[in-house]
Amino acid sequence: AQSVTQLGSHVSVSEGALVLLRCNYSSSVPPYLFWYVQYPNQGLQLLLKYTSAATLVKGINGFEAEFKKSETSFHLTKPSAHMSDAAEYFCAVSDPGGYNKLIFGAGTRLAVHP
Amino acid sequence: GAVVSQHPSRVICKSGTSVKIECRSLDFQATTMFWYRQFPKQSLMLMATSNEGSKATYEQGVEKDKFLINHASLTLSTLTVTSAHPEDSSFYICSAIDRDSGNTIYFGEGSWLTVV
Repeated sequence: AQSVTQLGSHVSVSEGALVLLRCNYSSSVPPYLFWYVQYPNQGLQLLLKYTSAATLVKGINGFEAEFKKSETSFHLTKPSAHMSDAAEYFCAVSDPGGYNKLIFGAGTRLAVHP
Repeated sequence: GAVVSQHPSRVICKSGTSVKIECRSLDFQATTMFWYRQFPKQSLMLMATSNEGSKATYEQGVEKDKFLINHASLTLSTLTVTSAHPEDSSFYICSAIDRDSGNTIYFGEGSWLTVV
Protein backbone atom coordinates (compact mmCIF):
# COMPACT_ATOMS: atom_id res chain seq x y z
CA ALA A 1 0.00 0.00 0.00
CA GLN A 2 1.13 3.49 -0.73
CA SER A 3 1.85 5.92 2.04
CA VAL A 4 3.35 9.33 2.57
CA THR A 5 5.32 10.60 5.53
CA GLN A 6 5.83 14.26 6.15
CA LEU A 7 8.62 14.91 8.61
CA GLY A 8 7.85 17.78 10.90
CA SER A 9 4.29 18.78 11.66
CA HIS A 10 5.39 22.37 12.20
CA VAL A 11 8.11 24.33 10.46
CA SER A 12 8.96 27.91 11.29
CA VAL A 13 11.18 30.12 9.16
CA SER A 14 12.06 33.75 8.95
CA GLU A 15 10.84 35.84 6.06
CA GLY A 16 13.38 35.55 3.27
CA ALA A 17 14.80 32.28 4.52
CA LEU A 18 14.83 28.96 2.71
CA VAL A 19 11.73 26.82 3.03
CA LEU A 20 12.22 23.05 3.15
CA LEU A 21 9.27 20.76 3.74
CA ARG A 22 10.04 17.06 3.75
CA CYS A 23 8.06 14.27 2.18
CA ASN A 24 8.96 10.62 1.85
CA TYR A 25 6.81 8.07 0.09
CA SER A 26 6.40 4.36 0.20
CA SER A 27 5.34 2.62 -2.96
CA SER A 28 6.18 -0.53 -4.82
CA VAL A 29 6.44 1.41 -8.06
CA PRO A 30 7.36 5.03 -8.67
CA PRO A 31 4.17 6.89 -7.96
CA TYR A 32 2.77 10.22 -8.94
CA LEU A 33 3.45 12.79 -6.24
CA PHE A 34 1.77 16.06 -5.40
CA TRP A 35 2.17 19.02 -3.10
CA TYR A 36 -0.91 20.97 -2.07
CA VAL A 37 -1.32 24.08 0.05
CA GLN A 38 -4.31 24.79 2.25
CA TYR A 39 -5.08 28.15 3.77
CA PRO A 40 -7.33 28.30 6.85
CA ASN A 41 -10.89 27.19 6.23
CA GLN A 42 -10.27 26.70 2.53
CA GLY A 43 -9.86 23.85 0.11
CA LEU A 44 -6.67 22.65 -1.47
CA GLN A 45 -4.56 24.35 -4.09
CA LEU A 46 -2.13 22.38 -6.18
CA LEU A 47 1.43 23.66 -5.94
CA LEU A 48 3.10 21.13 -8.20
CA LYS A 49 3.08 17.50 -9.25
CA TYR A 50 5.53 14.83 -10.37
CA THR A 51 4.30 12.50 -13.08
CA SER A 52 7.45 10.60 -14.10
CA ALA A 53 8.80 13.30 -16.37
CA ALA A 54 11.45 15.72 -15.12
CA THR A 55 12.59 14.94 -11.60
CA LEU A 56 12.85 18.62 -10.69
CA VAL A 57 9.38 20.07 -10.76
CA LYS A 58 8.65 23.75 -10.61
CA GLY A 59 5.34 24.90 -9.27
CA ILE A 60 3.47 28.04 -8.47
CA ASN A 61 4.50 30.78 -6.06
CA GLY A 62 8.19 29.99 -6.46
CA PHE A 63 8.00 26.48 -5.03
CA GLU A 64 9.77 23.49 -6.48
CA ALA A 65 10.31 19.88 -5.54
CA GLU A 66 12.75 17.20 -6.58
CA PHE A 67 11.85 13.57 -6.98
CA LYS A 68 14.65 11.35 -5.69
CA LYS A 69 13.95 7.71 -6.27
CA SER A 70 17.01 6.55 -4.34
CA GLU A 71 15.81 8.40 -1.28
CA THR A 72 12.08 7.90 -1.95
CA SER A 73 11.69 11.58 -1.30
CA PHE A 74 9.85 14.52 -2.80
CA HIS A 75 10.84 17.49 -0.64
CA LEU A 76 9.33 20.90 -1.28
CA THR A 77 11.55 23.97 -1.31
CA LYS A 78 11.35 27.68 -1.84
CA PRO A 79 14.46 29.85 -1.81
CA SER A 80 12.94 32.80 0.02
CA ALA A 81 9.91 32.59 2.27
CA HIS A 82 7.20 35.21 2.16
CA MET A 83 4.70 35.97 4.86
CA SER A 84 1.92 34.84 2.55
CA ASP A 85 3.44 31.35 2.42
CA ALA A 86 2.20 30.64 5.93
CA ALA A 87 -0.26 27.77 5.50
CA GLU A 88 -0.68 24.02 5.78
CA TYR A 89 1.15 21.95 3.19
CA PHE A 90 0.23 18.43 2.20
CA CYS A 91 2.21 15.91 0.24
CA ALA A 92 0.14 13.29 -1.56
CA VAL A 93 0.73 10.16 -3.61
CA SER A 94 -1.34 8.35 -6.19
CA ASP A 95 -1.01 5.35 -8.44
CA PRO A 96 1.09 6.15 -11.51
CA GLY A 97 -0.84 6.75 -14.67
CA GLY A 98 -4.23 6.31 -13.16
CA TYR A 99 -4.75 9.57 -11.35
CA ASN A 100 -6.80 7.68 -8.91
CA LYS A 101 -7.35 8.42 -5.28
CA LEU A 102 -4.80 10.54 -3.48
CA ILE A 103 -3.29 9.46 -0.21
CA PHE A 104 -2.26 12.44 1.86
CA GLY A 105 0.49 12.92 4.38
CA ALA A 106 -0.27 14.32 7.79
CA GLY A 107 0.59 17.82 6.70
CA THR A 108 3.15 20.42 7.72
CA ARG A 109 2.15 23.78 9.07
CA LEU A 110 4.52 26.47 7.87
CA ALA A 111 4.88 29.59 9.94
CA VAL A 112 6.76 32.58 8.58
CA HIS A 113 7.89 35.25 11.00
CA PRO A 114 9.30 38.67 10.29
CA GLY B 1 -10.35 27.26 -15.76
CA ALA B 2 -12.06 24.20 -14.39
CA VAL B 3 -13.80 24.60 -11.09
CA VAL B 4 -15.25 22.22 -8.59
CA SER B 5 -17.97 23.72 -6.45
CA GLN B 6 -19.27 22.44 -3.15
CA HIS B 7 -22.53 23.42 -1.53
CA PRO B 8 -23.19 24.32 1.15
CA SER B 9 -19.92 25.75 2.36
CA ARG B 10 -21.17 25.63 5.93
CA VAL B 11 -24.09 23.78 7.44
CA ILE B 12 -25.34 23.23 10.95
CA CYS B 13 -27.76 20.42 11.60
CA LYS B 14 -29.36 18.82 14.60
CA SER B 15 -28.22 15.48 15.87
CA GLY B 16 -30.21 12.68 14.30
CA THR B 17 -31.03 14.50 11.09
CA SER B 18 -29.52 14.00 7.64
CA VAL B 19 -27.62 16.53 5.63
CA LYS B 20 -26.62 16.53 1.97
CA ILE B 21 -23.47 18.06 0.52
CA GLU B 22 -23.14 18.60 -3.21
CA CYS B 23 -20.01 18.51 -5.33
CA ARG B 24 -20.26 19.86 -8.86
CA SER B 25 -17.76 20.03 -11.65
CA LEU B 26 -18.60 23.28 -13.40
CA ASP B 27 -16.50 23.18 -16.56
CA PHE B 28 -15.95 19.51 -17.21
CA GLN B 29 -17.50 16.10 -16.89
CA ALA B 30 -16.23 14.01 -14.05
CA THR B 31 -16.84 10.29 -14.13
CA THR B 32 -14.87 9.97 -10.93
CA MET B 33 -15.05 12.10 -7.83
CA PHE B 34 -13.62 11.56 -4.38
CA TRP B 35 -14.86 12.49 -0.93
CA TYR B 36 -12.50 13.31 1.91
CA ARG B 37 -13.04 14.38 5.48
CA GLN B 38 -10.66 16.48 7.48
CA PHE B 39 -10.82 16.96 11.21
CA PRO B 40 -9.39 20.22 12.60
CA LYS B 41 -5.64 20.40 12.26
CA GLN B 42 -5.47 16.96 10.71
CA SER B 43 -4.90 15.56 7.26
CA LEU B 44 -7.43 14.61 4.65
CA MET B 45 -8.75 11.09 4.91
CA LEU B 46 -10.27 9.52 1.84
CA MET B 47 -13.78 8.32 2.52
CA ALA B 48 -14.93 7.00 -0.82
CA THR B 49 -14.59 7.07 -4.57
CA SER B 50 -17.72 8.21 -6.35
CA ASN B 51 -18.27 6.64 -9.76
CA GLU B 52 -20.85 8.03 -12.16
CA GLY B 53 -23.63 5.57 -12.77
CA SER B 54 -22.40 2.96 -10.33
CA LYS B 55 -21.97 2.37 -6.64
CA ALA B 56 -19.36 4.26 -4.70
CA THR B 57 -16.27 2.49 -3.44
CA TYR B 58 -15.77 3.07 0.25
CA GLU B 59 -12.51 3.01 2.14
CA GLN B 60 -12.07 0.61 4.99
CA GLY B 61 -13.78 1.76 8.13
CA VAL B 62 -16.21 4.13 6.42
CA GLU B 63 -19.85 3.25 7.03
CA LYS B 64 -21.66 2.93 3.72
CA ASP B 65 -25.08 3.32 5.26
CA LYS B 66 -24.12 6.43 7.12
CA PHE B 67 -22.33 8.24 4.34
CA LEU B 68 -24.48 7.82 1.26
CA ILE B 69 -22.89 8.81 -2.02
CA ASN B 70 -24.78 9.34 -5.23
CA HIS B 71 -23.15 10.20 -8.54
CA ALA B 72 -26.15 10.38 -10.80
CA SER B 73 -24.72 12.68 -13.43
CA LEU B 74 -21.36 13.48 -14.95
CA THR B 75 -21.16 16.76 -13.08
CA LEU B 76 -22.67 16.06 -9.69
CA SER B 77 -21.87 13.85 -6.75
CA THR B 78 -23.66 14.13 -3.43
CA LEU B 79 -22.66 13.01 0.03
CA THR B 80 -25.47 12.52 2.50
CA VAL B 81 -24.59 12.15 6.15
CA THR B 82 -27.47 10.21 7.65
CA SER B 83 -28.50 10.32 11.30
CA ALA B 84 -25.73 12.79 11.97
CA HIS B 85 -24.03 12.92 15.33
CA PRO B 86 -21.67 15.49 16.81
CA GLU B 87 -18.68 13.27 16.02
CA ASP B 88 -19.56 13.64 12.32
CA SER B 89 -18.74 17.32 12.56
CA SER B 90 -15.89 17.84 10.18
CA PHE B 91 -14.65 19.51 7.02
CA TYR B 92 -15.71 17.52 3.97
CA ILE B 93 -13.83 18.06 0.71
CA CYS B 94 -14.52 16.61 -2.69
CA SER B 95 -12.27 16.32 -5.70
CA ALA B 96 -12.95 15.51 -9.32
CA ILE B 97 -10.81 14.24 -12.17
CA ASP B 98 -10.91 16.00 -15.52
CA ARG B 99 -9.87 13.16 -17.78
CA ASP B 100 -10.07 15.35 -20.88
CA SER B 101 -7.47 17.68 -19.44
CA GLY B 102 -4.59 15.39 -18.65
CA ASN B 103 -6.35 13.76 -15.72
CA THR B 104 -6.06 16.93 -13.69
CA ILE B 105 -7.48 16.66 -10.19
CA TYR B 106 -9.47 19.61 -8.92
CA PHE B 107 -10.60 20.10 -5.33
CA GLY B 108 -13.69 21.80 -4.08
CA GLU B 109 -13.55 24.51 -1.46
CA GLY B 110 -14.87 22.18 1.21
CA SER B 111 -17.97 22.07 3.37
CA TRP B 112 -18.01 22.58 7.10
CA LEU B 113 -20.52 20.38 8.86
CA THR B 114 -21.40 21.07 12.48
CA VAL B 115 -23.80 18.71 14.20
CA VAL B 116 -25.35 20.09 17.37
